[in-house]
Amino acid sequence: AQRVTQPEKLLSVFKGAPVELKCNYSYSGSPELFWYVQYSRQRLQLLLRHISRESIKGFTADLNKGETSFHLKKPFAQEEDSAMYYCALIPTNQAGTALIFGKGTTLSVSS
Amino acid sequence: DTEVTQTPKHLVMGMTNKKSLKCEQHMGHRAMYWYKQKAKKPPELMFVYSYEKLSINESVPSRFSPECPNSSLLNLHLHALQPEDSALYLCASSQGWGTGGTGELFFGEGSRLTVL
Repeated sequence: AQRVTQPEKLLSVFKGAPVELKCNYSYSGSPELFWYVQYSRQRLQLLLRHISRESIKGFTADLNKGETSFHLKKPFAQEEDSAMYYCALIPTNQAGTALIFGKGTTLSVSS
Repeated sequence: DTEVTQTPKHLVMGMTNKKSLKCEQHMGHRAMYWYKQKAKKPPELMFVYSYEKLSINESVPSRFSPECPNSSLLNLHLHALQPEDSALYLCASSQGWGTGGTGELFFGEGSRLTVL
């Protein structure tokens, strides 16, 4: 079965420090992977997806098929990055399957 | 218009009440979703409509009844709810279903439901 694991419930860093939010997945095929972010009192929104290979708000994520990981990274954290981050997967070989979310990691950036 | 709009933002209801949550999108998306989210937890999928037909029902109790009147609207009818149903109910839409674009969901701000 497909599964997304985010091992950290909470990650606390200081402003300017590097950030890495971990995501591991379990899926036998080639998945599409996403990071969603939910800022306080704002709607859940897509941050980035692996197929576009973009950098959004300074965040990047690289799909490592060997390690089945899709960690989210930012070299210098900002206080406004504080939010809940969800890693999500969608199987590409199964029609009619909805997005599978991990349990989420709360990122807290303090000055 | 690139937003998903949900009404009401807040709803308080008793266990014998009947109420409805509404969701609207005008992006031409063909799939719409209802999720339930408890505090500090990921969204839990409840229902998916694709092309106005129910595609997924995640074994949701019958006290929750979805309806998709047209491709832009999605309702969730509530009846005889329990206090444990109190949560944030999120509506989302995606461009397609079972094809590319299914992973990119556009979420509404949610309807915060309290059942007394």
